Amino acid sequence: DSGVTQTPKHLITATGQRVTLRCSPRSGDLSVYWYQQSLDQGLQFLIQYYNGEERAKGNILERFSAQQFPDLHSELNLSSLELGDSALYFCASSATGGVLYNEQFFGPGTRLTVL
Amino acid sequence: DAKTTQPPSMDCAEGRAANLPCNHSTISGNEYVYWYRQIHSQGPQYIIHGLKNNETNEMASLIITEDRKSSTLILPHATLRDTAVYYCIVSFSLYSSNTGKLIFGQGTTLQVKP
Repeated sequence: DSGVTQTPKHLITATGQRVTLRCSPRSGDLSVYWYQQSLDQGLQFLIQYYNGEERAKGNILERFSAQQFPDLHSELNLSSLELGDSALYFCASSATGGVLYNEQFFGPGTRLTVL
Repeated sequence: DAKTTQPPSMDCAEGRAANLPCNHSTISGNEYVYWYRQIHSQGPQYIIHGLKNNETNEMASLIITEDRKSSTLILPHATLRDTAVYYCIVSFSLYSSNTGKLIFGQGTTLQVKP
């Protein structure tokens, strides 16, 4: 158990819909990362937040957005869903957010299926 | 961030050492080498990291060549539970980067066989 929790575990929805994925980082970790894993693209970095502020952006679509709340949990919002958005979405947390080295702890993931 | 090259797959007999190579010829002086693994569809798991010197922890050993252009992850006594995809990642420049994002390649699928 990494200490990172993600809800829900599974999500099935239809094209055009909007969903919210939730992540609670390990206690004390200030940085949260979101990654997407699909069969054809592998594991891809989407976005990072550090203590409530956006720190880095990766291959995140404009239809996707994220935020980190004062209690440090984070949400990833996916809208106007397409079939290609079906993937595993992982959240990870770390203590320092990239200053010097840091180990990331990954949650169990949310499996999104868009029908 | 420097790119890494890993063999797509490897086999290892249970109880034997698994040696997973990684090339990172464009690594810069302040970049660390990280290894993570992903068992089936679980979240990736941190294994070990190093900068210049060889490192060892309870899970594995990391051997980095003197020129830092390649490294080897060693699982000393592989078990069936070590069957996973292993990712070698170069990241985290000490002074120029303030982001901890991980750029995953395709990794090496290690199959440990009885």
